[in-house]
Amino acid sequence: GENVEQHPSTLSVQEGDSAVIKCTYSDSASNYFPWYKQELGKRPQLIIDIRSNVGEKKDQRIAVTLNKTAKHFSLHITETQPEDSAVYFCAASIIQGAQKLVFGQGTRLTINP
Amino acid sequence: GAGVSQSPRYKVAKRGQDVALRCDPISGHVSLFWYQQALGQGPEFLTYFQNEAQLDKSGLPSDRFFAERPEGSVSTLKIQRTQQEDSAVYLCASSLFAQTSWKGYTFGSGTRLTVV
Repeated sequence: GENVEQHPSTLSVQEGDSAVIKCTYSDSASNYFPWYKQELGKRPQLIIDIRSNVGEKKDQRIAVTLNKTAKHFSLHITETQPEDSAVYFCAASIIQGAQKLVFGQGTRLTINP
Repeated sequence: GAGVSQSPRYKVAKRGQDVALRCDPISGHVSLFWYQQALGQGPEFLTYFQNEAQLDKSGLPSDRFFAERPEGSVSTLKIQRTQQEDSAVYLCASSLFAQTSWKGYTFGSGTRLTVV
């Protein structure tokens, strides 16, 4: 089955700097890659996703890149703000069929003012 | 409703007790999922329903775990004879799946189960 590895497990950056979180996946059939933000005690919230027919997607300060050949994808947050502090999870799925998400282990991002 | 609703929000159970966790998905959402999130970990898939049909239960950790969605809307996850390793947050998610317009999941806030 699918296995998703996420790095780093913790990341601390200065406010205004960029943050990058990386994930690798094992199943070449995976074609949907969402990123979720989870604040303490809250539900995971989808912040951006990418499908395998594109290599990059941007939404304001957030971007995701996908390299299908290497089976890795990354989340980029620019101009970080204190409210970006949270745990971020990547995931992989196959859109056809059960849409089961396989999650990475999470990255705790801390933005230092 | 406007979102996925889960109840109770918190549950403390004595070891050996049975528990039932409820999920109210977004109205009209065909797909419903249960995930287990241990402390400091990513959510792990438990089971999936398409309407009332349970199409995948490969993630249920043992036969003590049982899920149902009899009318294709509300779902219940039942855990029998709870054990300490069952302590986790149980997340429910729903999606309106269509071949050309799937927008991804909406998660509920979860039920935090603590077995003492």
